[in-house]
Amino acid sequence: GAVVSQHPSWVICKSGTSVKIECRSLDFQATTMFWYRQFPKQSLMLMATSNEGSKATYEQGVEKDKFLINHASLTLSTLTVTSAHPEDSSFYICSASTHRVDTQYFGPGTRLTVL
Amino acid sequence: KNEVEQSPQNLTAQEGEFITINCSYSVGISALHWLQQHPGGGIVSLFMLSSGKKKHGRLIATINIQEKHSSLHITASHPRDSAVYICAVDNMDSNYQLIWGAGTKLIIKP
Repeated sequence: GAVVSQHPSWVICKSGTSVKIECRSLDFQATTMFWYRQFPKQSLMLMATSNEGSKATYEQGVEKDKFLINHASLTLSTLTVTSAHPEDSSFYICSASTHRVDTQYFGPGTRLTVL
Repeated sequence: KNEVEQSPQNLTAQEGEFITINCSYSVGISALHWLQQHPGGGIVSLFMLSSGKKKHGRLIATINIQEKHSSLHITASHPRDSAVYICAVDNMDSNYQLIWGAGTKLIIKP
């Protein structure tokens, strides 16, 4: 089946630094990728939807300048958490879909801890 | 064997029917999530469970920790319930990394 990878799987960084998380579709072309975040012991929250070659669409309340999303190719999307702070510590998950948008494939997630 | 198994993979039913989707897992968990995805859309979180039962409208989710099994029920199903339903668990053994089920595609016919 279709595989989506995320890198890194976990990262610890100092407050004020920026962290980039990669989401790759390994064996298919992902025209759409979604980014989610999950706070500890809470449910998932959709952050943004990105289509290859165009700007991401952010959900209400998600800071565009804080969470930079790039979907430059059909197999790679990146999420950059800029000037990270401890409150950004969370689990970030991506998913990818093809033209058949009724099927999404999920990455394993990236756990970010900001000290 | 997948660590999170959902059944059935596909389900087609008539409007009004009672729907059950099952999820079994083999790892230690801190919580189990039921999520819904409509075609073309992102995921909506329906429930997060660590024990017992939760109800929201026509949706009911149960979990049996000892049996490592959860069910999602839909009463009086409606065509707008047509979606993919996904089970995911917080894996205690892997820094609470999410493990996802493959999803159940539900179609409710009028």
